[in-house]
Amino acid sequence: DGGITQSPKYLFRKEGQNVTLSCEQNLNHDAMYWYRQDPGQGLRLIYYSQIVNDFQKGDIAEGYSVSREKKESFPLTVTSAQKNPTAFYLCASSPGQGAFQPQHFGDGTRLSIL
Amino acid sequence: KNQVEQSPQSLIILEGKNCTLQCNYTVSPFSNLRWYKQDTGRGPVSLTIMTFSENTKSNGRYTATLDADTKQSSLHITASQLSDSASYICVVSSASGGSYIPTFGRGTSLIVHP
Repeated sequence: DGGITQSPKYLFRKEGQNVTLSCEQNLNHDAMYWYRQDPGQGLRLIYYSQIVNDFQKGDIAEGYSVSREKKESFPLTVTSAQKNPTAFYLCASSPGQGAFQPQHFGDGTRLSIL
Repeated sequence: KNQVEQSPQSLIILEGKNCTLQCNYTVSPFSNLRWYKQDTGRGPVSLTIMTFSENTKSNGRYTATLDADTKQSSLHITASQLSDSASYICVVSSASGGSYIPTFGRGTSLIVHP
């Protein structure tokens, strides 16, 4: 079945450490997104990519970096510059960034600070 | 600033009962509105999507309504089941310059008791 796979499910980071969250999709979708979800808040867009080798900052990109070397993959790196990284991270994809394209989500990675 | 407000923040009902969740938005220009169901620790799953010209859409026991004039939507759940316990997220999208910009509500947490 097609879908989005995020790994790992749980991740722990030490102070000053960079960590990378994996997102892979086999839906042949062009666009991919990273969101951050905090308790009691709506999803906030970190980065998005409409095509391979291109990506754009979302609303809260500071302290994060991404790459899009392959259509199927959109990894997110949480750098040591992100001072409050504890959150639930969701990756999503859509066939394009057109207005009527539904977004499919992975099952998330929960990042915690040791 | 585009905003999506959901109410109530949380809701507890007995199995078999009906319930209605509300979503008010100030998103412009309006493109579409979607309701997602998010189980604890999982990614959101799309329930319905409605455009400006649609005022009702059903998906099994879930029925969404849209009043584009008052900028309100509701999600009605009929004959609730224990598996309906989840967070329900309203997402309103605007389309501008070929880009697709969703604004997420904070969600309504629904608990269904036996």
